[in-house]
Amino acid sequence: SQTIHQWPATLVQPVGSPLSLECTVEGTSNPNLYWYRQAAGRGLQLLFYSVGIGQISSEVPQNLSASRPQDRQFILSSKKLLLSDSGFYLCAWSVAASPFTDTQYFGPGTRLTVL
Amino acid sequence: AQSVTQLGSHVSVSEGALVLLRCNYSSSVPPYLFWYVQYPNQGLQLLLKYTSAATLVKGINGFEAEFKKSETSFHLTKPSAHMSDAAEYFCAVSLHNQFYFGTGTSLTVIP
Repeated sequence: SQTIHQWPATLVQPVGSPLSLECTVEGTSNPNLYWYRQAAGRGLQLLFYSVGIGQISSEVPQNLSASRPQDRQFILSSKKLLLSDSGFYLCAWSVAASPFTDTQYFGPGTRLTVL
Repeated sequence: AQSVTQLGSHVSVSEGALVLLRCNYSSSVPPYLFWYVQYPNQGLQLLLKYTSAATLVKGINGFEAEFKKSETSFHLTKPSAHMSDAAEYFCAVSLHNQFYFGTGTSLTVIP
């Protein structure tokens, strides 16, 4: 069966520090991968998605970047964190031929607090 | 324009009472529809999905949803609420090669 891992589970970082969040998927090949941010009391905002190694699409301009160095690995990064980067970050995967036509499966999330 | 709307950001029900969470979508073409549940500090878990087969979809934990094209709705129901149902519920739509999430409904179950 497929599983998705995210780490760390929680993270407290000072403003201006770098960030690296990692997501890995097991049990499937060539998944579509997604990064979402969920701010307190709000819905999900799609940040990035990837349909293959090295292929990254950005949905909103921001202080963050994403990379996919391996088929089942998706990394969210920042060179300098802002207070507004605080939130709950969710990684997800799907296997649809088109990245937005079928079920997305979510990881456990990373709670990021920027102080 | 919003592609998916969840009416009521907070819903409270008594334990054992009917749960009804509302979701409406904006499209002339029936999309794929999903309901997800999120427990505190966890990721989203798929409850059920509609993909143009039966209009009444049964999901996990006793939840079900009915697709009504005439009302462009996909409301989530459960006959009898349990304390463990307290969570955030998200409706989502796959439409025009985009995936849209509603803003969520927080369900409180009162003992």
